[in-house]
Amino acid sequence: ILNVEQSPQSLHVQEGDSTNFTCSFPSSNFYALHWYRWETAKSPEALFVMTLNGDEKKKGRISATLNTKEGYSYLYIKGSQPEDSATYLCAFNFGNEKLTFGTGTRLTIIP
Amino acid sequence: NAGVTQTPKFQVLKTGQSMTLQCAQDMNHEYMSWYRQDPGMGLRLIHYSVGAGITDQGEVPNGYNVSRSTTEDFPLRLLSAAPSQTSVYFCASSSQAARGYTFGSGTRLTVV
Repeated sequence: ILNVEQSPQSLHVQEGDSTNFTCSFPSSNFYALHWYRWETAKSPEALFVMTLNGDEKKKGRISATLNTKEGYSYLYIKGSQPEDSATYLCAFNFGNEKLTFGTGTRLTIIP
Repeated sequence: NAGVTQTPKFQVLKTGQSMTLQCAQDMNHEYMSWYRQDPGMGLRLIHYSVGAGITDQGEVPNGYNVSRSTTEDFPLRLLSAAPSQTSVYFCASSSQAARGYTFGSGTRLTVV
């Protein structure tokens, strides 16, 4: 089983502060890296899918980068707001159709 | 568009019973997957399909069967329910492997 690792497992951030977390994956056989946002009592929602080394994606205050050679992706949140509280999942396509998820980073924004 | 529809939302089964979790999507997506979510384990892939008539096993397939007779539907069958299958089950679909998946609202299953 090829593992996707996320760190930290949980994070508390003061409202207004910026934060980032990491997704690590095996660099061989890379196909695509996904980020999802998962709010409590809801379903995961796709944020970004990245396929190329050096890719950077942005949606509002949230952005992500990808380094396929060293096997990591960062998710950044600028100026955290209470509505950013959620679990952020990354997932990896290992050169085929299977999408393997990490265990997520649980983010709590403190008002 | 309804997106991905899962039924039922909640189910309680007795050990040894069988049942089918339904999943339907109306987006003409070729890729469909079933995941289970357990505390501390994240989402684990049970079975997946890349098109009608094509299915394959994921990380935790034992005790589950799937079929994909149409593009729209991807039911998950529990053959003989066990307490270890108590979990929240999510169905997801995508138009291709490098596109984001759309998830259903989940089915919370308890096996007693």
